[in-house]
Amino acid sequence: QTVVTQEPSISVSPGGTVTLTCGLTSDSVSTSAHPSWYQQTPGQAPRALIYDTDLRSSGVPDRFSGSILGNKAALTITGAQADDECDYYCVLYLGRGISLFGGGTKLTVV
Amino acid sequence: EVQLVESGGGLVQPGGSLRLSCEAFGFTFDDHAIHWVRQSPGKGPEWVSGINWLSTNIAYADAVKGRFTISRDNAKNSLYLQMNSLRVEDTALYYCAKDHDRYAFWSGYLDVWGKGTTVTVSS
Repeated sequence: QTVVTQEPSISVSPGGTVTLTCGLTSDSVSTSAHPSWYQQTPGQAPRALIYDTDLRSSGVPDRFSGSILGNKAALTITGAQADDECDYYCVLYLGRGISLFGGGTKLTVV
Repeated sequence: EVQLVESGGGLVQPGGSLRLSCEAFGFTFDDHAIHWVRQSPGKGPEWVSGINWLSTNIAYADAVKGRFTISRDNAKNSLYLQMNSLRVEDTALYYCAKDHDRYAFWSGYLDVWGKGTTVTVSS
């Protein structure tokens, strides 16, 4: 069974740069999986940050960027701020209309 | 205002059925694919099902295939999810979400989400 993998938790210092990754247990992640990244704060619906690997959603600051790093999708936050502290989820398109969310990364800014 | 409003959640016994609805406001509903995404308490989101603008492209997560049926009525700006043979593990907040791209099935950019409707499966 295919699973989308993410780091369970990551810490970053205020103003620092951090990279979250998104992999597949069964394969490498490429642009054909149309990787997307979502940010979620408690009690709110997920908010799209990045879609189709590296396109920023409307209103998302350019300190959020997406890429493919090696065999994984990656979300990089440059100049981390306190209100970036929340959960981040990647989503991969597996084909045949099916998409799969990762288990999420809890980002701590400290 | 662009929004999606879910309804139809509730408490149901294992093996029971529920029909969720999602009504759209403020955008051209029949131009866009709409997806159901659920989130169990303390867990991450899970894509459940999606339907394109013409209802010609429909897909389900393996966990719900054969038990859930997605449909839409463009004349009523509404999306539905018929859920049968419900299991305890289907307990979750169910969101409907709009795909940003016109006429695409999945762009990865779900730009409008409802507030969700809660489904609890318990005896």
